Amino acid sequence: KAGVTQTPRYLIKTRGQQVTLSCSPISGHRSVSWYQQTPGQGLQFLFEYFSETQRNKGNFPGRFSGRQFSNSRSEMNVSTLELGDSALYLCASSLAMSGGLAKNIQYFGAGTRLSVL
Amino acid sequence: AQKITQTQPGMFVQEKEAVTLDCTYDTSDPSYGLFWYKQPSSGEMIFLIYQGSYDQQNATEGRYSLNFQKARKSANLVISASQLGDSAMYFCAMREGQAGTALIFGKGTTLSVSS
Repeated sequence: KAGVTQTPRYLIKTRGQQVTLSCSPISGHRSVSWYQQTPGQGLQFLFEYFSETQRNKGNFPGRFSGRQFSNSRSEMNVSTLELGDSALYLCASSLAMSGGLAKNIQYFGAGTRLSVL
Repeated sequence: AQKITQTQPGMFVQEKEAVTLDCTYDTSDPSYGLFWYKQPSSGEMIFLIYQGSYDQQNATEGRYSLNFQKARKSANLVISASQLGDSAMYFCAMREGQAGTALIFGKGTTLSVSS
């Protein structure tokens, strides 16, 4: 079974631009979560999507948005990029949002490393 | 207040030795899950082991075991017989049952295994 696939792996953008990152979950997984990882702040939750609906959101500005498609693939978008948005963006998928915690182990992709110049 | 605390920024161990990575957590939710992930330099977060708050026995997965002490709110990862490939960053994470699905991560511990 293929794992979580994130594209692209690396991106270089300049301040003010926008960027779209893509995530294909493990087959059969319906929940997709996004995390930002930086040396200073560590791993922080961005948002989660289930059945094309955002069900949970972290404490990030509105420049960060996402969506999920009917095939569970997800994209996240960052508009008006700032230098501080440079980070590793990780996507994780899990079977469902409801049910026991054990059923919702999140499996991560390799991430997209975004550099903002 | 930190919900997940990993006090060891770096740990060094020799091959074939066992190592314990510390993790303490803070929650008032009676239902929660504790997770350990491994992150090699490539960046991918690899799931290692899970412990539920109601689980009576400590979780084990191959060379990984989780020393769960609920009263002390600790969930230490034990790696037996370390291998060179175990060199990586290790993250402890928690998901609270009533707070949605977001994982809360600690700052991580860098493990270096030498021959």
